[in-house]
Amino acid sequence: AQTVTQSQPEMSVQEAETVTLSCTYDTSENNYYLFWYKQPPSRQMILVIRQEAYKQQNATENRFSVNFQKAAKSFSLKISDSQLGDTAMYFCAFEEYNTDKLIFGTGTRLQVFP
Amino acid sequence: DAGVTQSPTHLIKTRGQQVTLRCSPKSGHDTVSWYQQALGQGPQFIFQYYEEEERQRGNFPDRFSGHQFPNYSSELNVNALLLGDSALYLCASSYPSPHSTARGYGYTFGSGTRLTVV
Repeated sequence: AQTVTQSQPEMSVQEAETVTLSCTYDTSENNYYLFWYKQPPSRQMILVIRQEAYKQQNATENRFSVNFQKAAKSFSLKISDSQLGDTAMYFCAFEEYNTDKLIFGTGTRLQVFP
Repeated sequence: DAGVTQSPTHLIKTRGQQVTLRCSPKSGHDTVSWYQQALGQGPQFIFQYYEEEERQRGNFPDRFSGHQFPNYSSELNVNALLLGDSALYLCASSYPSPHSTARGYGYTFGSGTRLTVV
């Protein structure tokens, strides 16, 4: 069974600084997708960034980028120029191709300080 | 463009009771998935509905059941509530694969229903 592990329960960063959140996963499949979701106090899951396993190039979305290491089954999220609005829970998630089912990690609580 | 709407936002039930949670998908989406998020945990997949049928199911007991209506809205029912059923229940709507060529972008989550069982 696929599993997703986030080993950092809490992280903190000062505004404008850079922070990296870690995620590892376990699967025997070759085709899959990886995601980072943000869950603010409003509780709604918001997609931050997405990576397709067959693409070697790391995904980027503005201040957010990933370091995808397929062989190591690692998928970390880097947030540059952190903003107060980045304060939230961040979940790493995995989806096997065509299963329509997300498997989430336990989350990392990120606090951005002024 | 309306996103995913869930109701109620909060409710409190007594152990042994039954509860129904509701979800209206994003306009244009026809697939609804339900997730349970216990306190301090990541969401766990309960089941998914498409064309008014349960398409796939996670590791949840039969006390958890659902329904999808012709307008694509969905209900999650939990019978014989246990204290351990206390959680945030999230609904996510999407287009079903293989129609969705951009997986992940196709999921829209609601803000959830916070269920407390006492």
